[in-house]
Amino acid sequence: ETGVTQSPTHLIKTRGQQVTLRCSSQSGHNTVSWYQQALGQGPQFIFQYYREEENGRGNFPPRFSGLQFPNYSSELNVNALELDDSALYLCASSLSAGAHTQYFGPGTRLTVL
Amino acid sequence: GIQVEQSPPDLILQEGANSTLRCNFSDSVNNLQWFHQNPWGQLINLFYIPSGTKQNGRLSATTVATERYSLLYISSSQTTDSGVYFCAVNTGNQFYFGTGTSLTVIP
Repeated sequence: ETGVTQSPTHLIKTRGQQVTLRCSSQSGHNTVSWYQQALGQGPQFIFQYYREEENGRGNFPPRFSGLQFPNYSSELNVNALELDDSALYLCASSLSAGAHTQYFGPGTRLTVL
Repeated sequence: GIQVEQSPPDLILQEGANSTLRCNFSDSVNNLQWFHQNPWGQLINLFYIPSGTKQNGRLSATTVATERYSLLYISSSQTTDSGVYFCAVNTGNQFYFGTGTSLTVIP
């Protein structure tokens, strides 16, 4: 059983650019959630995808968008990057939506200059 | 949204000591998990525990859902236990993490 993987590991962008982060869910999982973790804080929920549909969203602006593919892998896209977007981006997969254990990937560390 | 508070925020222990970490939440939840975040940022799942008590080696956890709190017990702490411990709750399709407890175990 493969775990959750994320790419890239690290990324440096400049303000105003766009970025795409990728996540492969654990085998057999159809739900992926994305989180932003700023330095010294707990992860903040961005959104969740269940069977290719958005299934819940946190308090993030529309320039944070996502996709889930038929194989249940997922992308997080961030447009018009701001300095405050610098953070660790984590994805988690679970067996299904709702009350299920979440398993996290290693994260992508994004730096916006 | 739901408020999730963890205490203490910081904890320094001598190797071999025991500790209790607490997570309070402000509303009913469907799901509660405890995680350990290692220095590289990886969140390791410790317990899925919306209610009741579970044990895994030196770690155990108890959630009293009716009183809206959960406890994580670490016994005979080791230096490898160092890191940040988070609790996270789920209400419907929203997920909330606490602010974490930073644990340092010194030899």
